[in-house]
Amino acid sequence: EVQLLESGGGLVQPGGSLRLSCAASGFTFSSYAMNWVRQAPGKGLEWVSAITGSGGSTYNADSVKGRFTISRDNSKNTLYLQMNSLRVEDTAVYYCAKDTHSSTWNDAFDIWGQGTMVTVSS
Amino acid sequence: DIVMTQSPDSLAVSLGERATINCKSSQSVLYSSNNKNYLAWYQQKPGQPPKLLIYWASTRESGVPDRFSGSGSKTDFILTISSLQAEDVAVYYCQQYYSTPSFGQGTKLEIK
Repeated sequence: EVQLLESGGGLVQPGGSLRLSCAASGFTFSSYAMNWVRQAPGKGLEWVSAITGSGGSTYNADSVKGRFTISRDNSKNTLYLQMNSLRVEDTAVYYCAKDTHSSTWNDAFDIWGQGTMVTVSS
Repeated sequence: DIVMTQSPDSLAVSLGERATINCKSSQSVLYSSNNKNYLAWYQQKPGQPPKLLIYWASTRESGVPDRFSGSGSKTDFILTISSLQAEDVAVYYCQQYYSTPSFGQGTKLEIK
């Protein structure tokens, strides 16, 4: 079964750091670009970051540029999101999502994890 | 950045009736080299992650009931549910992946 499982969320103070992980199973992880998408409580979806299948290229939303870093370890079938300088407005459920067809990005997201909650508050 | 705007924000439809959700992009998402519209539709039920329904504007994802269909091109797109079922109550999002991905604000679909 194709599956994504996020972990690493929690409560952190403004200015703090957190590292999210997403463990993938049931598909050839390195063949697909991967993404992080977040959803603030009661709000809509916001794409955060993407990384190509090889890990050679990354892309970030302007709202997180310079603060968040996406990476992957294809030997461990795991996607990461390092979040630094966290702000109250980063509070959200963070989902990892798999590109449907492509290793190179620009694709719909066919598989989503259940999400991990990140709360930034003093 | 491409801005996606959905209408209406909420919609109430009777069981068995047709539901129509509109999505407009601030610029064309039709890629001329392959003639594909880089537009997807998702369904999100409370407490669940989004589920992919439609990609390339009109291609139904495997396992999605055929009462769901997508249409449109360039900047104007429609998601149609031909005969609303109780399990279709959800929030629906359109998304462009022509450039840096962006989502519409969502349309909440309820039973009348």
